Amino acid sequence: AQSVAQPEDQVNVAEGNPLTVKCTYSVSGNPYLFWYVQYPNRGLQFLLKYITGDNLVKGSYGFEAEFNKSQTSFHLKKPSALVSDSALYFCAVRDRGDSWGKLQFGAGTQVVVTP
Amino acid sequence: SQTIHQWPATLVQPVGSPLSLECTVEGTSNPNLYWYRQAAGRGLQLLFYSVGIGQISSEVPQNLSASRPQDRQFILSSKKLLLSDSGFYLCAWGRNYGYTFGSGTRLTVV
Repeated sequence: AQSVAQPEDQVNVAEGNPLTVKCTYSVSGNPYLFWYVQYPNRGLQFLLKYITGDNLVKGSYGFEAEFNKSQTSFHLKKPSALVSDSALYFCAVRDRGDSWGKLQFGAGTQVVVTP
Repeated sequence: SQTIHQWPATLVQPVGSPLSLECTVEGTSNPNLYWYRQAAGRGLQLLFYSVGIGQISSEVPQNLSASRPQDRQFILSSKKLLLSDSGFYLCAWGRNYGYTFGSGTRLTVV
């Protein structure tokens, strides 16, 4: 079974400061890892994914995430947050051995960026 | 390019009424299709997934069912809605490590 933990319900950060959203995962095999963002009453927008290769993944809108196998983590980071980054962020994992391609999502972290 | 359409965007239904939500995909063939539900604006729960026409797998036993009558069409249904069926329903398609989500349907059961 696979699972994802996002330990923070909400992250508050001032505009211009670094933003970090934490994610840890559990899978029986090796993971594919994803980050999505959701604005109110909207679908999920893809930010970035780790499939293989370089542990540091760069994605959309200046976001990046680092895959850490020993800590089973995939934290999302942005060096300088914008007010427009305020949204709900989801981490998701897929077990490489899952041929159905099922994504397991975390509970989400609300990011609030204040001017 | 691949797109995914989901409708309706908003739906208010009385308890005990039937439900049909539709999702269609364009620009790809034989995609894996998924239905998720988001309750209370937070976590997403996988409800159903399909890897081919007529093939449906359920993750959570509940009042809902799904069907895939065509390769790029995925339908979520209920014969009699419950209050607990309220939520935000998202359809998604996946292929080769990429997933695209629809814009969602906000279902309120009253």
